[in-house]
Amino acid sequence: SQQGEEDPQALSIQEGENATMNCSYKTSINNLQWYRQNSGRGLVHLILIRSNEREKHSGRLRVTLDTSKKSSSLLITASRAADTASYFCATDDDSGYALNFGKGTSLLVTP
Amino acid sequence: DAGVIQSPRHEVTEMGQEVTLRCKPISGHDYLFWYRQTMMRGLELLIYFNNNVPIDDSGMPEDRFSAKMPNASFSTLKIQPSEPRDSAVYFCASNRGTAPGETQYFGPGTRLLVL
Repeated sequence: SQQGEEDPQALSIQEGENATMNCSYKTSINNLQWYRQNSGRGLVHLILIRSNEREKHSGRLRVTLDTSKKSSSLLITASRAADTASYFCATDDDSGYALNFGKGTSLLVTP
Repeated sequence: DAGVIQSPRHEVTEMGQEVTLRCKPISGHDYLFWYRQTMMRGLELLIYFNNNVPIDDSGMPEDRFSAKMPNASFSTLKIQPSEPRDSAVYFCASNRGTAPGETQYFGPGTRLLVL
């Protein structure tokens, strides 16, 4: 069952701008992950943030987690055309081993 | 490591035919997951295995769908008979399962079109 819900569904920006995507979920989690999917390809893991963490950085990526609001955000700074892809948040399910994915945010970065 | 391998990459078949999708997980990964992705429903978990044993198949849509994992390096997802609404991209993913919510490694997917 899907738990994560990304917002917005689609985002179009120019190179150099920052892109922010949000994810809301419904039940308590152990951690939350963000994945990227390029057109016609499989999902690639970007970053994982644990439930006891509030913020995490990886290169140009910044993820925040607010467990009280059951929400997370993914910020991509200084975006590039190569960042064009769909981005998904994923939360662990009751068993802890499977993941529930949202429907994703489609990001278009134009030169 | 070659990553998760799926075959075929594309499959076009006619309604009523049997379809078999194949997956080879990353060596040493004890968990294997099958997902289906459509525009309408997004990415849905169909079934997952731990050490070749099915753990949760509640996402399998109908009896027409079946999945097996005869050994640690091979899994199949079979649809019999196939229907146009089964058209989707099917992904296989794996991980070591050493901790809850562990990162999953996805294959490139099989794009299925049922006419």
